[in-house]
Amino acid sequence: GAVVSQHPSWVICKSGTSVKIECRSLDFQATTMFWYRQFPKQSLMLMATSNEGSKATYEQGVEKDKFLINHASLTLSTLTVTSAHPEDSSFYICSARLGPPNTEAFFGQGTRLTVV
Amino acid sequence: SQQGEEDPQALSIQEGENATMNCSYKTSINNLQWYRQNSGRGLVHLILIRSNEREKHSGRLRVTLDTSKKSSSLLITASRAADTASYFCAKETSGSRLTFGEGTQLTVNP
Repeated sequence: GAVVSQHPSWVICKSGTSVKIECRSLDFQATTMFWYRQFPKQSLMLMATSNEGSKATYEQGVEKDKFLINHASLTLSTLTVTSAHPEDSSFYICSARLGPPNTEAFFGQGTRLTVV
Repeated sequence: SQQGEEDPQALSIQEGENATMNCSYKTSINNLQWYRQNSGRGLVHLILIRSNEREKHSGRLRVTLDTSKKSSSLLITASRAADTASYFCAKETSGSRLTFGEGTQLTVNP
């Protein structure tokens, strides 16, 4: 199957700083990528849909100024958590699709963010 | 908000037994997908079942879909300790968005 690589796998940062998470499709081009957030022992919450060459589409309740998404190329989307606070600590996961609807999604390995 | 429920939330069985997990949803879907997640890791795709399909198999996995009841089930037969993980159903709706259920934590005891 296709490979989606996410980096870093974990990061610890101080309150008030910003953290960038990268999501790369290694062997395919992804015009659309998705960013999720997952709290311990909970489900994945879709945060936003990242579109190559255009603005991301955010889900209701997700602060677009807080979670900046950039999809600068067909193989890279980035999520920047700005002015991070302890409540932003979570597991962030990206995914990408090989093709149109009715195809499986491939997920990155996730990033564990801890804000201290 | 998440669409649909999964049950049970947790399931503990012995190796060799079958495990059944259920997923329900509220609105129409293009397809329903099942994923597996080991603790602290990304998700691995298991099976995709389209809205016009009723049953699919993949190895020891069997997925059914009942669109009239808006529900799906995942059956793992002859379970192994290595099957221990969280299992999520995900509903694909418009715009290729996937929304996930709450998940079932499966523990298979050796």
